[in-house]
Amino acid sequence: DQQVKQNSPSLSVQEGRISILNCDYTNSMFDYFLWYKKYPAEGPTFLISISSIKDKNEDGRFTVFLNKSAKHLSLHIVPSQPGDSAVYFCAASENDAGNKLTFGGGTRVLVKP
Amino acid sequence: NAGVTQTPKFQVLKTGQSMTLQCAQDMNHEYMSWYRQDPGMGLRLIHYSVGAGITDQGEVPNGYNVSRSTTEDFPLRLLSAAPSQTSVYFCASSHTSGRADEQYFGPGTRLTVT
Repeated sequence: DQQVKQNSPSLSVQEGRISILNCDYTNSMFDYFLWYKKYPAEGPTFLISISSIKDKNEDGRFTVFLNKSAKHLSLHIVPSQPGDSAVYFCAASENDAGNKLTFGGGTRVLVKP
Repeated sequence: NAGVTQTPKFQVLKTGQSMTLQCAQDMNHEYMSWYRQDPGMGLRLIHYSVGAGITDQGEVPNGYNVSRSTTEDFPLRLLSAAPSQTSVYFCASSHTSGRADEQYFGPGTRLTVT
């Protein structure tokens, strides 16, 4: 059973509006969460992360929210730009598991001009 | 500084054939790993290594072998390819002491097994 799930396989949003991507996890040992962005024919690139001791982390247009009690995190992109069109993966790791990552299935985002 | 490189970019194999996917990094990273990406499944960890001479299994290791004779290279071997191994394969590297967000991924190898 997948320990990290992204229940929305795709999302379409108008340029300038907010994109909200959701991710749920089941393993309570996860203590570090990441979002990766992936363009076609390229490897994933790190976007933003959050430690379990925080509930929010912001970096420019990107904000990640963590709700530990609900085992849920979300990525907000404001404002969305056409260059944000990509597949976004949620990932999680355990502190004592080093750099091993468990990924969600991904959400394909399309930002329409 | 080329980062993480993978060869080949594309490969088609027949069932039962063997091949090696190459991965190299020039950042002197101790940690290297292999993931496979399948539709709807995200990336799943196959094998990883925390340094030369040390390897360990990830979530989906069956059908794959690895070795780490140098810091720079971490090849992934398929001894007898099966259609279930059709996937996109990504190699990643980082410093062992680094955080999980400091991993760098290669561009991927798209493998089709017929």
